Amino acid sequence: AQSVTQPDIHITVSEGASLELRCNYSYGATPYLFWYVQSPGQGLQLLLKYFSGDTLVQGIKGFEAEFKRSQSSFNLRKPSVHWSDAAEYFCAVGALYGGATNKLIFGTGTLLAVQP
Amino acid sequence: GAVVSQHPSRVICKSGTSVKIECRSLDFQATTMFWYRQFPKQSLMLMATSNEGSKATYEQGVEKDKFLINHASLTLSTLTVTSAHPEDSSFYICSARDGRNHEQYFGPGTRLTVT
Repeated sequence: AQSVTQPDIHITVSEGASLELRCNYSYGATPYLFWYVQSPGQGLQLLLKYFSGDTLVQGIKGFEAEFKRSQSSFNLRKPSVHWSDAAEYFCAVGALYGGATNKLIFGTGTLLAVQP
Repeated sequence: GAVVSQHPSRVICKSGTSVKIECRSLDFQATTMFWYRQFPKQSLMLMATSNEGSKATYEQGVEKDKFLINHASLTLSTLTVTSAHPEDSSFYICSARDGRNHEQYFGPGTRLTVT
């Protein structure tokens, strides 16, 4: 069955520290992988996506993620966290039909808190 | 950037009544919109895919007669929860796919509480 697992429900880091959010997926076809961020009362914002090519993907706000097929993982990283990064982060996997993303399967999310 | 709005952001209704939630793409045309449901501490679950001018495609287990979807224009899709019950209380999120770049953009969500 297709699924996305985010093992960490809640993570707290200090401002300036590095961050890694874990994501593992199970998907029968070639996965197209996404990371979204959601702040309270806001919609989901796309941080980055992986379709093909270089397995290290750069996104907005200084985030990057690495696709590791052998580990079925797509972990999100940031070298130095800012207080404004506090939010909920969702990993998602989807299919691509005719160049367009379709159904997305989401993980349960990781809530990031940032300590001063 | 592409903006998707939802209205209302929050609604409380009585059991047995119907509630309509609107999803609008403000600065782009969306031939396809998606409706998701999110329970506390759970994933977003796709409920249905809405294509402009045609019937919505519902995911397995989603009652199409209970969750009516209308996508009458390229910028508006509506979700109507009919005969709402307390178990329908949830956070409903829409996304709209921009026909120019095929990216999905998400609305801020609607919190529905059925009393």
